[in-house]
Amino acid sequence: GDSVTQMEGPVTLSEEAFLTINCTYTATGYPSLFWYVQYPGEGLQLLLKATKADDKGSNKGFEATYRKETTSFHLEKGSVQVSDSAVYFCALKSRDDKIIFGKGTRLHILP
Amino acid sequence: DVKVTQSSRYLVKRTGEKVFLECVQDMDHENMFWYRQDPGLGLRLIYFSYDVKMKEKGDIPEGYSVSREKKERFSLILESASTNQTSMYLCASSPRTGRWPLHFGNGTRLTVT
Repeated sequence: GDSVTQMEGPVTLSEEAFLTINCTYTATGYPSLFWYVQYPGEGLQLLLKATKADDKGSNKGFEATYRKETTSFHLEKGSVQVSDSAVYFCALKSRDDKIIFGKGTRLHILP
Repeated sequence: DVKVTQSSRYLVKRTGEKVFLECVQDMDHENMFWYRQDPGLGLRLIYFSYDVKMKEKGDIPEGYSVSREKKERFSLILESASTNQTSMYLCASSPRTGRWPLHFGNGTRLTVT
């Protein structure tokens, strides 16, 4: 069945460092892809999305590009801040409308 | 902004108790979902509902039931709570079309002792 694999955390970076969180997927057809973020004590919020190959989603300085050839949707940010510390979830919407989440990657940003 | 409200942030219950987790959304969404979140396992879908009085099992429905008597409210019921149901429970809603994006509540952390 469809699945999402993302890099295990925790990921610890210094402020202003470059961030990459890897995400790959297995799915039938061409699913829509998402990144969600969960700040401490809160529910998940949609961070960005892409609905077709080569689309780039972006929000709050984060970007991810839908790569069909490598079945990937890696999350990147050029300069992270302490306030970016959170858990990040990669997800896909399958052909039968299920939302499938990865296991989440905890990000710690040190001042 | 869509608001999904879960009635409790923290709950502590005893083994064998019947537990109700309540969720209300204010955007007239047709779809509502209950997930549990556990370290290393991510989010797992327990049940979802796409209309009043309609429900479908998710990936881990055992030990749970749900109720949707009104469009805005979706309740998760633990018939007889057990320690392995200690977890973070997240409610979400979405409009009918495409079932996305999901809008989440802030979660209820349930501890069963």
